[in-house]
Amino acid sequence: AQSVAQPEDQVNVAEGNPLTVKCTYSVSGNPYLFWYVQYPNRGLQFLLKYITGDNLVKGSYGFEAEFNKSQTSFHLKKPSALVSDSALYFCAVIRSGSARQLTFGSGTQLTVLP
Amino acid sequence: NAGVTQTPKFQVLKTGQSMTLQCAQDMNHEYMSWYRQDPGMGLRLIHYSVGAGITDQGEVPNGYNVSRSTTEDFPLRLLSAAPSQTSVYFCASSYRLAGYEQYFGPGTRLTVT
Repeated sequence: AQSVAQPEDQVNVAEGNPLTVKCTYSVSGNPYLFWYVQYPNRGLQFLLKYITGDNLVKGSYGFEAEFNKSQTSFHLKKPSALVSDSALYFCAVIRSGSARQLTFGSGTQLTVLP
Repeated sequence: NAGVTQTPKFQVLKTGQSMTLQCAQDMNHEYMSWYRQDPGMGLRLIHYSVGAGITDQGEVPNGYNVSRSTTEDFPLRLLSAAPSQTSVYFCASSYRLAGYEQYFGPGTRLTVT
């Protein structure tokens, strides 16, 4: 079985400040980890992924995430938040070599305050 | 490329009615899937397909049917709509290997009264 936890339903941050959206996972075997973003009334858009290699992954729009195997975490970060980053963020996991059943977290609403 | 397209964008059904949600992709992706999104529950997998003629159940398959006659199309059928099926439905596609990201359609907002 595999699961994802996003412990914060809502994260508020001031524009220009760093932001972190937390994600922890549980999976047997090696994980593939993803972050997606959803803007209002839109489908999900891919931000970044960890498959293997460097634990720090850089993605779209200045976002990055750090894979921490010992803490089973994959937190999303950005050094300086923009108001336009306000959206719903989803973390997802799949076990490497599995039959493509991606498991999503419940989502974190990020609000960047001007 | 149009990417992943879904129709309709909105639909209201009465309990017991049936309908088909359409999904198409033009990226030659082997893998296609249907999710439902409910507040506070993230996305839950309904059905998925790893290629034409091959489908399988996800986490919440009851009340839904799928078929995959072509690589491009993956329709989702509601057999007898129930209020519990009120949700936003997303179709997604990707290359078959697990390391590839999924591309999502814009969604269908379904209300069952």
